[in-house]
Amino acid sequence: LAKTTQPISMDSYEGQEVNITCSHNNIATNDYITWYQQFPSQGPRFIIQGYKTKVTNEVASLFIPADRKSSTLSLPRVSLSDTAVYYCLVGDWGNAGNMLTFGGGTRLMVKP
Amino acid sequence: GAVVSQHPSWVICKSGTSVKIECRSLDFQATTMFWYRQFPKQSLMLMATSNEGSKATYEQGVEKDKFLINHASLTLSTLTVTSAHPEDSSFYICSARGSTGGKNTEAFFGQGTRLTVV
Repeated sequence: LAKTTQPISMDSYEGQEVNITCSHNNIATNDYITWYQQFPSQGPRFIIQGYKTKVTNEVASLFIPADRKSSTLSLPRVSLSDTAVYYCLVGDWGNAGNMLTFGGGTRLMVKP
Repeated sequence: GAVVSQHPSWVICKSGTSVKIECRSLDFQATTMFWYRQFPKQSLMLMATSNEGSKATYEQGVEKDKFLINHASLTLSTLTVTSAHPEDSSFYICSARGSTGGKNTEAFFGQGTRLTVV
C-alpha cells in the first residue's frame, strides 16, 4: 500500500483558497487518490477522488501531476465550517477488499 | 452520496459486558465493510476488513475473539466488543464499499459510535 505524507496542520482565514498537498511516492499503477474530511466525533466524509490530472466537483478540486507522486486538494474560499481534519488515501479501488489505510491527516483551522 | 448508518451513536457499558455496534448501508449493497477505531486526536486505525459471507480479516494486534465481526448480508455488518474494559473506550467507525456496473465505488463512512466502558 502506498504510504501518504501530509502536513500535520494548516491555518487559513475565511475566504481564502487552501491547498493541502499529499505525497505518495510509491503509488501503484492501479491506485486512485481519495480525500476525506472529518469533523470531531463524526465519520469521515468523501470529498473527491482522482487518478490523474485534475478533477473538480462542487466542493473541491484535486490536482495530480503526471508522475502521480503527489496530489493537492484545493478548497476554494474556505469558511469557518471547513475547519476539520483532511485525509489523503491512496489505494486500488478496483480491488473491493483492498483496505483503506489512513495516514495522519491534516488538521485545517479556518480563522475569522 | 450513499448513506451508511451506524447504531448506536454512543453507548456506555459496564466493564466485563459486551456491546454490539451495527453498520448498515441504506441505499447500496456493501460488498466490503471496514471497521476502524479512533482515539482522541489520532487518525483512524483499521481493525478489520470483511466481505459479505466471509470471515473478517483482522489487522495485526487486533484480537479477533474480542472484536467479533459479522457481515451476514450485503447491507449489514456488526462489531461486538466482548468483555469490554475501560481501555476499549474509543470511537468506532464503520465504512462500506459497494460496486456499480462492475466498478467499485468509493467507501462511505458511518457516523461513528462513541463507546465508554466504566
